[in-house]
Amino acid sequence: GNSVTQMEGPVTLSEEAFLTINCTYTATGYPSLFWYVQYPGEGLQLLLKATKADDKGSNKGFEATYRKETTSFHLEKGSVQVSDSAVYFCALNTGNQFYFGTGTSLTVIP
Amino acid sequence: GAGVSQTPSNKVTEKGKYVELRCDPISGHTALYWYRQSLGQGPEFLIYFQGTGAADDSGLPNDRFFAVRPEGSVSTLKIQRTERGDSAVYLCASSLTAVSNTGELFFGEGSRLTVL
Repeated sequence: GNSVTQMEGPVTLSEEAFLTINCTYTATGYPSLFWYVQYPGEGLQLLLKATKADDKGSNKGFEATYRKETTSFHLEKGSVQVSDSAVYFCALNTGNQFYFGTGTSLTVIP
Repeated sequence: GAGVSQTPSNKVTEKGKYVELRCDPISGHTALYWYRQSLGQGPEFLIYFQGTGAADDSGLPNDRFFAVRPEGSVSTLKIQRTERGDSAVYLCASSLTAVSNTGELFFGEGSRLTVL
């Protein structure tokens, strides 16, 4: 079946620290991979995506590389800011359905 | 509208009552999805529409849940005989098309349902 597993939180970091949130997936076929972010009081919004193996998605200083050999799509940012505090969801799209991980809560303290 | 709109934003009801949740997708988006999100969990797929028809309703938990999209735009999720376990945030999302696996979902802010 299709599923997404992401590291559990919550994660607390100091401003300017390095961030990694792990995500691995199981899928039939060739899915696209996504990271969605949910800021406090807001709906989920797309952060970045990658549509094929070895693609790197990037946005707002965040990056993730689609690794088919390790079935992973880890989210990274070199220097987090307080405004990055949110819940992050890894997801995959098989063509007619999206599957989401359980979310990782990130809090960045000044 | 500019984004996906969901109403009501909050709904409190009593066990056994009937509830309707409405979603107005982004204009021109043919695919519409309903998800349910419980506390501390990721969105759980319920149903998706391509145009007016339900292309996949395999996520609906039981026959108390039903959704329609009669004109291929606005959708209504209907829950009969609500139970306390139905309490969750119900998310609607739309996409330009469901055919491609590269498309992204645009989410509304959700309808929080509380069943007392």
